[in-house]
Amino acid sequence: QVTLKESGPALVRPTQTLTLTCTFSGFSLSTTKMHVTWIRQPPGKALEWLARIDWDDDKFYSTSLRTRLTISKDTSKNQVVLTMTNMDPADTATYYCARISPTSWYYFDYWGRGTLVTVSS
Amino acid sequence: QSALTQPRSVSGSPGQSVTISCTGTSNDVGDYDYVSWYQQHPGKAPKLLIYDVTERPSGVPDRFSGSKSGNTASLTISGLQAEDEADYYCCSYEGRYSYVFGAGTQVTVL
Repeated sequence: QVTLKESGPALVRPTQTLTLTCTFSGFSLSTTKMHVTWIRQPPGKALEWLARIDWDDDKFYSTSLRTRLTISKDTSKNQVVLTMTNMDPADTATYYCARISPTSWYYFDYWGRGTLVTVSS
Repeated sequence: QSALTQPRSVSGSPGQSVTISCTGTSNDVGDYDYVSWYQQHPGKAPKLLIYDVTERPSGVPDRFSGSKSGNTASLTISGLQAEDEADYYCCSYEGRYSYVFGAGTQVTVL
């Protein structure tokens, strides 16, 4: 059974760096063609794709947020970590991690329930 | 990377059919047969309903179906049921390892 769970601070101050952890089970990121991704959703707004990391440590980022994001993995812990620098109130959102289908890059077959991050002083 | 356009809400009575549109551009929906749809109940994780425009994962009822014409993809729910009341999101691959989502549609079962 595949599960993913996001964890991290509920509140961050403007200009701080956000660190989120996705802990997953039911698959391994050391397996060929496995990928994990981060997606966020500001309150009342659209989902926005953020970043992706692959089994071979390839990393891909949203063009608009590339300079602020870093994604990494700890295969031994079944975790993926996303850091976002210089947080702004506009970054207030629910942050989801999801698995990208191992048979296709093009859809997300399992999602976590998300973690709400509020950016406020 | 502008969000795909979805109607804010649609509604129907039990047993009826409803269709949700998802309009993009020739750079995303129109260029790739990689549209997926997700269902989200309040407080729950999104659930994959449709991938590659028309494909259903195992376990998803066949009353959910997807299609595409030009820059617009659609999700149809046939034989609407009470448990279908949820938010629905479309997503398209847009090339260069990037994805774009719709803003979401709230489905209400009357």
